[in-house]
Amino acid sequence: GIQVEQSPPDLILQEGANSTLRCNFSDSVNNLQWFHQNPWGQLINLFYIPSGTKQNGRLSATTVATERYSLLYISSSQTTDSGVYFCAVLNRDDKIIFGKGTRLHILP
Amino acid sequence: GAVVSQHPSRVICKSGTSVKIECRSLDFQATTMFWYRQFPKKSLMLMATSNEGSKATYEQGVEKDKFLINHASLTLSTLTVTSAHPEDSSFYICSASVHLAGGQFFGPGTRLTVL
Repeated sequence: GIQVEQSPPDLILQEGANSTLRCNFSDSVNNLQWFHQNPWGQLINLFYIPSGTKQNGRLSATTVATERYSLLYISSSQTTDSGVYFCAVLNRDDKIIFGKGTRLHILP
Repeated sequence: GAVVSQHPSRVICKSGTSVKIECRSLDFQATTMFWYRQFPKKSLMLMATSNEGSKATYEQGVEKDKFLINHASLTLSTLTVTSAHPEDSSFYICSASVHLAGGQFFGPGTRLTVL
């Protein structure tokens, strides 16, 4: 089945730094979403982005479907950005596959 | 919009009891709801997919008789962990979708502890 790989697995940054999180997938997908799981476990939708580029404040995402990857950019990191970032894809069989996540720690 | 609630948020029960978790889409009608399980510091594991009015589709390795799923309406799905044991302790998360390609929205999760 489709493989979803996220990198890096862990990232520690100082407040104010920028970061790029990557999601590679091994086959064509019908949908791709980025989520942030906060320390209390709540999953928050960041982007629904099967292709193209979107921006929302300090966050932006780009998916290049033909090359099977997506990038999540976080600029001017804040401590509240800490948590786990997941990418999830919907494959051609309508199965939802999650990556293992990137654990982000923003230090004050 | 697209708010999903779960109840309870936390439950502690004795071994052998059954626990019901509710998942509601508050401001939209969800054709499909999903149930996930998440172990500490791990990714989400899809347990089952449920469509309103039909039987749930369980993922390989998930016991149907252990994890009963009922999707009674377009806004409510329930997961019942029957005869719970300590190994069932976990974080259970539901999500809801209007249509799969449109993305899914997650509830806040239920932390189950079985003593």
